[in-house]
Amino acid sequence: GAGVSQSPRYKVAKRGQDVALRCDPISGHVSLFWYQQALGQGPEFLTYFQNEAQLDKSGLPSDRFFAERPEGSVSTLKIQRTQQEDSAVYLCASSPIDRGDTQYFGPGTRLTVL
Amino acid sequence: AQSVTQPDIHITVSEGASLELRCNYSYGATPYLFWYVQSPGQGLQLLLKYFSGDTLVQGIKGFEAEFKRSQSSFNLRKPSVHWSDAAEYFCAVAPGGNEKLTFGTGTRLTIIP
Repeated sequence: GAGVSQSPRYKVAKRGQDVALRCDPISGHVSLFWYQQALGQGPEFLTYFQNEAQLDKSGLPSDRFFAERPEGSVSTLKIQRTQQEDSAVYLCASSPIDRGDTQYFGPGTRLTVL
Repeated sequence: AQSVTQPDIHITVSEGASLELRCNYSYGATPYLFWYVQSPGQGLQLLLKYFSGDTLVQGIKGFEAEFKRSQSSFNLRKPSVHWSDAAEYFCAVAPGGNEKLTFGTGTRLTIIP
């Protein structure tokens, strides 16, 4: 079946621009996570949704980062006024149940801020 | 706060040789433990996971890992590597199932003929 998909796969933005990154989780998955992976590093948690509720946004690095999942399916990560330090791969993962299961990752969106 | 240490940044092994990738974690209780593999341009793929029970867990692609509580370790092993195993490997922990993962910095595996 279809896995987690993310779009765009690559995004180049000029510093100061706003960007929106989309995640389509596996159908029926309740939980959705966003991670940020800087070059040469492991992924770092950004935020977590259970259905449409954002239960944890402790990893968002600044108020320029905003995520939503209005209908409990597709999620969008928005970054306002991008900075060079925002350059990273943004990974989305989904899980089928509330506890005790595996996170399935998408291929990521590579964001480059010039 | 939980943390994960992967002490080896880069490992090179010959095809057909055995492999062990190290992972140490810091957490107050026994966490949920995972190993993921990431190939260039690809997302993270789960190799195996440990929640409880038998401390030796089997995963996909012939990988296994052993949880050692006394050493706070969860090392990944494979008896004979294949060229297709070349990738980046990440160890991760979570306080419970389906909670946010904390990843190590990864170990890059190179396979030589």
